[in-house]
Amino acid sequence: EAGVVQSPRYKIIEKKQPVAFWCNPISGHNTLYWYRQNLGQGPELLIRYENEEAVDDSQLPKDRFSAERLKGVDSTLKIQPAELGDSAVYLCASSSGRLALPKNIQYFGAGTRLSVL
Amino acid sequence: TQLLEQSPQFLSIQEGENLTVYCNSSSVFSSLQWYRQEPGEGPVLLVTVVTGGEVKKLKRLTFQFGDARKDSSLHITAAQPGDTGLYLCAGANTDKLIFGTGTRLQVFP
Repeated sequence: EAGVVQSPRYKIIEKKQPVAFWCNPISGHNTLYWYRQNLGQGPELLIRYENEEAVDDSQLPKDRFSAERLKGVDSTLKIQPAELGDSAVYLCASSSGRLALPKNIQYFGAGTRLSVL
Repeated sequence: TQLLEQSPQFLSIQEGENLTVYCNSSSVFSSLQWYRQEPGEGPVLLVTVVTGGEVKKLKRLTFQFGDARKDSSLHITAAQPGDTGLYLCAGANTDKLIFGTGTRLQVFP
């Protein structure tokens, strides 16, 4: 079974340009997460979806970041316009249920490494 | 704001040495997870501890959850170069994972 698939793996853009990341979660996983990870640090949650509903977007910088999960499966994360400080790895993860239950594991994709020049 | 502080931040050791990584918080978590992340990959779950005082072993790795469920430790016995990576603890509450600050481990042959 395929894991969480993200594309592209790498993206280099100039500041003020738009960029989009795509994520395909594990089949059957209703919960999808987008994280941002700075070099050598732990991931920080940007947004969490339950099916197509964004249930936690409190850490998403809404002035320039947007996300969607129209059919409750694939998701896209967009930045417009990108700033130098947005350079990071953007990770997508999915799980089959509530993380408060230890049996529900969060699986991560390989991430998209964004460099803003 | 829930914070998970890991120490040390960096660790560089020789093959065969033992090491311990600490994960500390002022908050109580329903469970705590440890992940290992290699360059260019996403974090991969190693273990989940749930009960205060719980100890779990995974080959040469020993994980312990503090009695008050606020802290945890990861001990590696006889480290090998294959253990090299970024180790992350993460506390779970309801539907959110709070990740620690990370410990980068380098094991030299």
